[in-house]
Amino acid sequence: AQTVTQSQPEMSVQEAETVTLSCTYDTSESDYYLFWYKQPPSRQMILVIRQEAYKQQNATENRFSVNFQKAAKSFSLKISDSQLGDAAMYFCAYSSWLFGNEKLTFGTGTRLTIIP
Amino acid sequence: NAGVTQTPKFQVLKTGQSMTLQCAQDMNHNSMYWYRQDPGMGLRLIYYSASEGTTDKGEVPNGYNVSRLNKREFSLRLESAAPSQTSVYFCASSDSPGGAFGYTFGSGTRLTVV
Repeated sequence: AQTVTQSQPEMSVQEAETVTLSCTYDTSESDYYLFWYKQPPSRQMILVIRQEAYKQQNATENRFSVNFQKAAKSFSLKISDSQLGDAAMYFCAYSSWLFGNEKLTFGTGTRLTIIP
Repeated sequence: NAGVTQTPKFQVLKTGQSMTLQCAQDMNHNSMYWYRQDPGMGLRLIYYSASEGTTDKGEVPNGYNVSRLNKREFSLRLESAAPSQTSVYFCASSDSPGGAFGYTFGSGTRLTVV
């Protein structure tokens, strides 16, 4: 079974600085998707960024980028120029390509605090 | 707006009572999921339905049942609620395979069992 590990329960960063959230995963599959989701106090789950395992190029979305190391099974999220609105719980997640097995497996989350 | 609609948003139950959480999506997605979120444990999969007419157990299925009523609707039933089922419940849907364009989540149901 796939597992996702987020070893940082809490992180904080000064506004306008850069922060990196860590995520590792375990799988025997070669093709899969990885995601970072943001959950603000509103409770809504918001997709931040996704990465296809077959792509070597790291995904980027504006101030958000990932460092995907397939061999090391590592998938970290970098937030540049942190803003107050980035304060939230961040979840790393894994999804299989296998038909009928496309369920999202989550890590335990990292709570990010932005210091004004 | 297109998306996943969950009802109710909040619910308080007494131990032993039953209830059904409703979920509907209007994106023509094949796959639908029920998760529960507990502090320090992330989101854990209760049941999922890879396509209309099929359902499968996830990581924490005990105490729950599901029905995939049609392609749009996927309900979660608690037959005899227990305090351990106090949680926030999320319904989600995705295209196939692997959620290539991400998973869309409902806004969640906060359930308290007293």
